[in-house]
Amino acid sequence: EDKVVQSPLSLVVHEGDTVTLNCSYEVTNFRSLLWYKQEKKAPTFLFMLTSSGIEKKSGRLSSILDKKELFSILNITATQTGDSAVYLCARTQGAQKLVFGQGTRLTINP
Amino acid sequence: EPEVTQTPSHQVTQMGQEVILRCVPISNHLYFYWYRQILGQKVEFLVSFYNNEISEKSEIFDDQFSVERPDGSNFTLKIRSTKLEDSAMYFCASSDLLGPNYGYTFGSGTRLTVV
Repeated sequence: EDKVVQSPLSLVVHEGDTVTLNCSYEVTNFRSLLWYKQEKKAPTFLFMLTSSGIEKKSGRLSSILDKKELFSILNITATQTGDSAVYLCARTQGAQKLVFGQGTRLTINP
Repeated sequence: EPEVTQTPSHQVTQMGQEVILRCVPISNHLYFYWYRQILGQKVEFLVSFYNNEISEKSEIFDDQFSVERPDGSNFTLKIRSTKLEDSAMYFCASSDLLGPNYGYTFGSGTRLTVV
């Protein structure tokens, strides 16, 4: 089973900063890459990316997938303290499951 | 918005005891999953379940584990004889079409502590 690697593992910024979180992977034959936000408990869904080069946006968050270079990024602009969380990247494997990265712990200081 | 509900939120058990973790998936969902997250580690797939049988399981899901849908609403994970290394957060998830490619909702998790 290949790895999903996220970087950085931890990031501390000030409110209002823009952050870019990275997710790289090794296999090419999968359908989707997903981003989740994990605060106290359950991962909550942010984005699902299936096509390379098409940016998905939701408010201050955006994400894009590069299937040629085998990575995805999650951008958060004008960060707020409520963005503090662990951000998880996962790719689908087969039809049944997700393979997760280790997460990036983002801390936004006021 | 529909939710996946898990109970209890935290369970402490003695090593060697059996535990049952309970989940109520979203009502029109057909596919059910269990994942676990050991503290400080990745979220890991355990098992998927469809049409009253296991459709895929990981190496972690050995004979100590079993899953069941005892009625029309609950989905349970049983650990027969808990070990210290079973201590983790266990997440249930459900989807209405096959797998994460069509959307996957996680429950809020059960923290299992084996002492």
